[in-house]
Amino acid sequence: DIQMTQSPSSLSASVGDRVTITCRASQGIRNDLGWYQQRPGKAPKCLIYAASSLEGGVPSRFSGSGSGTEFTLTISSLQPEDFGTYFCLQHNSYPWTFGQGTKVEMK
Amino acid sequence: QVQLVESGGGVVQPGRSLRLSCAASGFNLDHYGMHWVRQAPGKGLEWVAVVWYDGSKKYYADSVKGRFTISRDNSKNTVYLQMNSLRAEDTAVYYCARPFPPYGDYYFDNWGQGTLVTVSS
Repeated sequence: DIQMTQSPSSLSASVGDRVTITCRASQGIRNDLGWYQQRPGKAPKCLIYAASSLEGGVPSRFSGSGSGTEFTLTISSLQPEDFGTYFCLQHNSYPWTFGQGTKVEMK
Repeated sequence: QVQLVESGGGVVQPGRSLRLSCAASGFNLDHYGMHWVRQAPGKGLEWVAVVWYDGSKKYYADSVKGRFTISRDNSKNTVYLQMNSLRAEDTAVYYCARPFPPYGDYYFDNWGQGTLVTVSS
């Protein structure tokens, strides 16, 4: 099975900050990776698919990069509605696997 | 619009069974594979199972293999998760999720609201 290691597990940031979250795959997964945002008590929502493609309706301050084993989600200027937990998900092979999550909190 | 509504959750004793349902509307279910994903209280997301659009293939997480069975009835626009031999560690909110694109399996573009399963004596 492919293991996804996500870091950091949590971070504190202020509105306007640039935020970077990383996922590392235990083996190459091409660009078969998505990033999801989850707010408390809600279902996750896809932000980025195919490592770098922005899902429709998602603000352009979100971006994704990487391929193979190293992937990054960047929020260029953190907004109040961006606080929550972020997960990466690899869909290269079954079983699909999520990263452990990164909780983004207000500083 | 696309809607996924899970049901069937509740409190169940260890070793017992439960069947979850995911009612789909607003799209042609028989064009899409469907997945179950779960989240234990205060924990991260765990992929559980997938059934292909025509039911021809099914895959499971190691943690549920042999105990859970995913199935679908396209005539009823419903996907199921039969959970047997339940354990305390199966306690979680269970989400059904639709992948995109049709007949593909690349990312989740729609999720249900989730149904809570609590395994406790």
